Amino acid sequence: QVQLVQSGAEVKKPGASVKVSCRASGYTFTGYYMHWVRQAPGQGLEWMGWINPTSGGTNYAQKFQGRVTMTRETSTSTAYMDLSSLRSDDTAVYYCARDPIVGAIGGHFDYWGQGTLVTVPS
Amino acid sequence: QSALTQPASVSGSPGQSITISCTGTSGDVGSYNLVSWYQQHPGKAPKLLIWEVSKRPSGVSNRFSGSKSGNTASLRISGLQAEDEADYYCCSYAGSSTFEFGRGTKLTVL
Repeated sequence: QVQLVQSGAEVKKPGASVKVSCRASGYTFTGYYMHWVRQAPGQGLEWMGWINPTSGGTNYAQKFQGRVTMTRETSTSTAYMDLSSLRSDDTAVYYCARDPIVGAIGGHFDYWGQGTLVTVPS
Repeated sequence: QSALTQPASVSGSPGQSITISCTGTSGDVGSYNLVSWYQQHPGKAPKLLIWEVSKRPSGVSNRFSGSKSGNTASLRISGLQAEDEADYYCCSYAGSSTFEFGRGTKLTVL
């Protein structure tokens, strides 16, 4: 069965960086784009960007450009999301989510990781 | 990019039907049939309910249906059940391979 397992909670100081991992299993990792979505406490979902696990190509929401880097390691079927220059308003649960269209962007997300809480104290 | 507009809250009694709207612009909802809907219970990851405006993944109840007219997409839930109480989010393609979510709607089953 498809599973996305994310790394554990993090507490970071303002200005630092955080790297969240998402290990995929149960399907061919390189066949499906991976998106990252975050959710601040009590707030809605916010799309951050995607990575093509085959080519490593990425596309980010304008809001995060210059601060976010999405990478992958195909040998371990793991996607990574690195967010730098952290601020208190980056405190959120970060999710990875699979796009179910083979080799393309379908624009919906069928499997989600369990979420990783990143806390940036003010 | 700005979030799609959803009502903050809706409510209904068991057995009734409700509709949640998701209003965008001609640059997102109005131009593409890549609208999806998600259900999120507290402390849980979102769950896909509808994709490409009206398609339902296997395993999702047919009580959930989606539609679109102009710049507004809608999610209809019929035969409300207690377990439908949750937050609901729409998501749309917004051009340039980017996506955006709605602000979310809290559904209360009375």
